[in-house]
Amino acid sequence: GDSVTQMEGPVTLSEEAFLTINCTYTATGYPSLFWYVQYPGEGLQLLLKATKADDKGSNKGFEATYRKETTSFHLEKGSVQVSDSAVYFCALVSGGYNKLIFGAGTRLAVHP
Amino acid sequence: GAVVSQHPSRVICKSGTSVKIECRSLDFQATTMFWYRQFPKQSLMLMATSNEGSKATYEQGVEKDKFLINHASLTLSTLTVTSAHPEDSSFYICSASPRGLYETQYFGPGTRLLVL
Repeated sequence: GDSVTQMEGPVTLSEEAFLTINCTYTATGYPSLFWYVQYPGEGLQLLLKATKADDKGSNKGFEATYRKETTSFHLEKGSVQVSDSAVYFCALVSGGYNKLIFGAGTRLAVHP
Repeated sequence: GAVVSQHPSRVICKSGTSVKIECRSLDFQATTMFWYRQFPKQSLMLMATSNEGSKATYEQGVEKDKFLINHASLTLSTLTVTSAHPEDSSFYICSASPRGLYETQYFGPGTRLLVL
């Protein structure tokens, strides 16, 4: 079945460091890919998405490119802030089933 | 816009009792609502999908008689955990999908259930 694999956390960075969180997927057909963010004590929020190969999703300085050849959707940010500390979930929707399949989540901690 | 609320945010109950969790879309109509369960430091696992006015579709391994889902209107879905046991303690999250926007789900803040 469809699945999403994320790098294990926690990821600990200093402010202004470069961030990469790896995400790879297995899916039949052509899924849409998402990154969600969960701040402490809050619900998940959509961070960015991409619906077809080579699309780049971007928001709040974060970017991810849909790579069909490597089945990846890695999340990047050039300069993280303390306020970016959260749990990040990679997810996909495939086959028109409107069902989100999540990765295990990666906790990011940014310190001053 | 696109706000989803859950009530209560936190509940503690005794083993054997039932607990109802509400999920409301505050500023849009939700054709479909989803219920997830999140274990500590783990991902969200889809429990069931509910469409307004019809029976919920449960994921494999989820007991439909234990987790009763009702989606009576386009803005409200409820999850009732019946005869709760300590192993049902978890974080329950709902999401709502607006009419026609099938790939868009807006998430509630979650409900922390602790069964003693």
